[in-house]
Amino acid sequence: KQEVTQIPAALSVPEGENLVLNCSFTDSAIYNLQWFRQDPGKGLTSLLLIQSSQREQTSGRLNASLDKSSGRSTLYIAASQPGDSATYLCAVRRQGGSEKLVFGKGTKLTVNP
Amino acid sequence: DTAVSQTPKYLVTQMGNDKSIKCEQNLGHDTMYWYKQDSKKFLKIMFSYNNKELIINETVPNRFSPKSPDKAHLNLHINSLELGDSAVYFCASSPQPLSGGAGGNADTQYFGPGTRLTVL
Repeated sequence: KQEVTQIPAALSVPEGENLVLNCSFTDSAIYNLQWFRQDPGKGLTSLLLIQSSQREQTSGRLNASLDKSSGRSTLYIAASQPGDSATYLCAVRRQGGSEKLVFGKGTKLTVNP
Repeated sequence: DTAVSQTPKYLVTQMGNDKSIKCEQNLGHDTMYWYKQDSKKFLKIMFSYNNKELIINETVPNRFSPKSPDKAHLNLHINSLELGDSAVYFCASSPQPLSGGAGGNADTQYFGPGTRLTVL
């Protein structure tokens, strides 16, 4: 059974700092991994999707890496801004035909001005 | 223009009642999902439909009955509501199911804003 863990559960940083959010998964037989952002009282916004054959994906100040063999992914946020404050969730999709995403519990990020 | 929309946004009801949550996507996607996020913020899939057919049912009590009148809509009906049903329910859609997927962003799931259900 796939389990996804995100560390830390919460993170508070001053504006401008570079930061890394971690995600680990127990079963390396994944199809892809997706990072989402959830704002309070709102739905999830997809940030980056990494296929199992890829090592990283970049979008603006965000960079997500994937090390499938070790069951880890990181989300790097450069030059953090108060608007980055949200909960960041990672989710994996199993290899071999399951449509469902298995989510971690998220990391709540607060960027202080 | 909202891509994935849900109604209502908030739903407060008494235990034992029957209620429905509606979801619509205007993205032309083939696959739709219902997820439940509990009080501990843990997000878990409940159902997945592809072109109006059920493809995932994650051991959800049969008080929950999804209905897909067409591939743009996936509604969730809940009978005999219980206190433990209180949660935020998210609808999502994606262009195609994994088994027929072409990879890339075709596998990205797009989420609705959520419906906060409170059972008293």
